[in-house]
This record gives sequence, C-alpha cells and structure tokens, in this order.
Amino acid sequence: DGGITQSPKYLFRKEGQNVTLSCEQNLNHDAMYWYRQDPGQGLRLIYYSQIVNDFQKGDIAEGYSVSREKKESFPLTVTSAQKNPTAFYLCASSILAPGEDTQYFGPGTRLTVL
Amino acid sequence: AQSVTQLGSHVSVSEGALVLLRCNYSSSVPPYLFWYVQYPNQGLQLLLKYTSAATLVKGINGFEAEFKKSETSFHLTKPSAHMSDAAEYFCAVSAGEGFQKLVFGTGTRLLVSP
Repeated sequence: DGGITQSPKYLFRKEGQNVTLSCEQNLNHDAMYWYRQDPGQGLRLIYYSQIVNDFQKGDIAEGYSVSREKKESFPLTVTSAQKNPTAFYLCASSILAPGEDTQYFGPGTRLTVL
Repeated sequence: AQSVTQLGSHVSVSEGALVLLRCNYSSSVPPYLFWYVQYPNQGLQLLLKYTSAATLVKGINGFEAEFKKSETSFHLTKPSAHMSDAAEYFCAVSAGEGFQKLVFGTGTRLLVSP
C-alpha cells in the first residue's frame, strides 16, 4: 500500500526541548511539505522540498528545521526557539509534473509541549 | 499572490438536506482550486480539484463544486447530507500548473444532525 506515514501520532515534550517529527512516503513523489494546523487558522506552510538535499522556507519557518537526505523522508525538527510549538503537524507530498498539483497528506502528529 | 476565504467557520444541516460550503478566492493568474476534507485527528483527503477543464467538478462521496470566474467562487455542494459527512472542509488555491504552493482557507466545520 502506497502512502505517507507520520510518527508518532501523539508527542509530548517539555518546554525547551527539541523534538523531531518523522515523515516517510513510498509514493515516489518528488516534493514534500510540512504544515502546521491550529484551530481556526487553517494550514500554514512551514518548509517544503522539491528535490533531495534542497528545501525552502515556507510562511512560518522560524523555530523549525528540516532535512531531505532521501527522497522518501522529510523529518521536521521543532526547536526550542519555536515560541508556541503545541499544534497538529501535517506532512504532504506531491508529484512534480504538469497537471499533477495534488498534495497527498499523512495522518498527522499532534505535538503538545508541557 | 493567492488567497482563499471560506465564509462560515461552522455550518449546520439536517441529514438529507443540501450541503453548501462557500469558498471565494483571489488570484492574479488562472488558479487551480481544491477542496479537502479532514476527519478528527486525521490528515486531509482530497475531495475534488479544478484545473481549468470543466467548470463543474465532481468529487468523491457525492460532492461537487462549480468554478465561477465572474464571482471568484468555488463553492462545494452535496444534494443530500449524510451523518458521515460531518467533518472539517478546507478550500485551497494554487497559482496554476507546475510547482506552486497551496494556500488554504481557514476551514468550515460541517455539523450534521439526525
């Protein structure tokens, strides 16, 4: 079964600790994305990557970091510099081809910082 | 730049009634438009998308949406609501073909009563 997996589903951390969220896809998609979702605010783009070893900041990149060492994997690190990290984090991927703009989403990770 | 406005953070309907979720967009170029559905604590699932072909787009689960350029709208409808339609719905826009970032609306929660 092809798809996007995110782990863990729920994550609890103490304030001041860095934490890494996993995102893996076996769809052979070129592009991968990280979004943050807060109640009443929709989805906001954190980082995205179109190719291995390259990534770009989205609209709210401050306090986050990513890597893209493999096509299948795009982990997100929430650093202690992120002032309000408690949120639902969604990973997505898409093909980079004309007419293929659809982003497919993983099940999400809910991060709670205590 | 692209933007999306979803009117109504909550919409309530009775089972069997018409569902109408509103989405208006702003785009400086011909847009691609998407509707996604999200069930509690899950990722987003694509309902349908408009990519400049037919203006009336049919999606999954009996939903459809009509692209109206003159009104800059892309409202989502379903003739008869089912209890299983209760979820949050997001409208999104991108700037057309090729790699483009998705811009999401703030979402509309659909409540279905028996």
